[in-house]
Amino acid sequence: GAVVSQHPSRVICKSGTSVKIECRSLDFQATTMFWYRQFPKQSLMLMATSNEGSKATYEQGVEKDKFLINHASLTLSTLTVTSAHPEDSSFYICSASPAGHYNSPLHFGNGTRLTVT
Amino acid sequence: SQKIEQNSEALNIQEGKTATLTCNYTNYSPAYLQWYRQDPGRGPVFLLLIRENEKEKRKERLKVTFDTTLKQSLFHITASQPADSATYLCALANAGNMLTFGGGTRLMVKP
Repeated sequence: GAVVSQHPSRVICKSGTSVKIECRSLDFQATTMFWYRQFPKQSLMLMATSNEGSKATYEQGVEKDKFLINHASLTLSTLTVTSAHPEDSSFYICSASPAGHYNSPLHFGNGTRLTVT
Repeated sequence: SQKIEQNSEALNIQEGKTATLTCNYTNYSPAYLQWYRQDPGRGPVFLLLIRENEKEKRKERLKVTFDTTLKQSLFHITASQPADSATYLCALANAGNMLTFGGGTRLMVKP
């Protein structure tokens, strides 16, 4: 149980285009989902907290107009990288917790490798 | 400032030995500490959670200790196997706050 599905797993796009990444909780409802970014051999950096039915909470230094988050249902959150540039190339991962508590174990998607050319 | 430190150098051990990974933290008073496993190109997978009032937690070949005085957690894998090779992340948060992840330690178990 507690499966989080992330799509696509890989995407290559041209500079200036936008890319949407989907994160779905398959067998539980998630009022809160989390989006991370990970550079090679580095830790997960929390980008934002996605809240169902309300605005996302962004971490300091993360541009909310650049990384648009929509959490329209209890099982789906999307991250859109707008006007992507090569420096946005990274591994993006989402997570959610069935228990919904901040300290609860997180279930992660398998990530999306974004390459901007 | 708050820091979570894991040994960034890879840990290489022989199959069958016990692997011990360290997680040190500063300027946190965590209610929980969690350990995750991450394989290349994949999302992390939750392994164990230990509470501040627990000294030790076990799950099969895994053991986690939590010393709030030393501000340290140790993660042990006994009878290690090549399939245990992965990056192991510790994560913690102060009460009510988001989980923050350490940089991870890569474990390589050689047959």
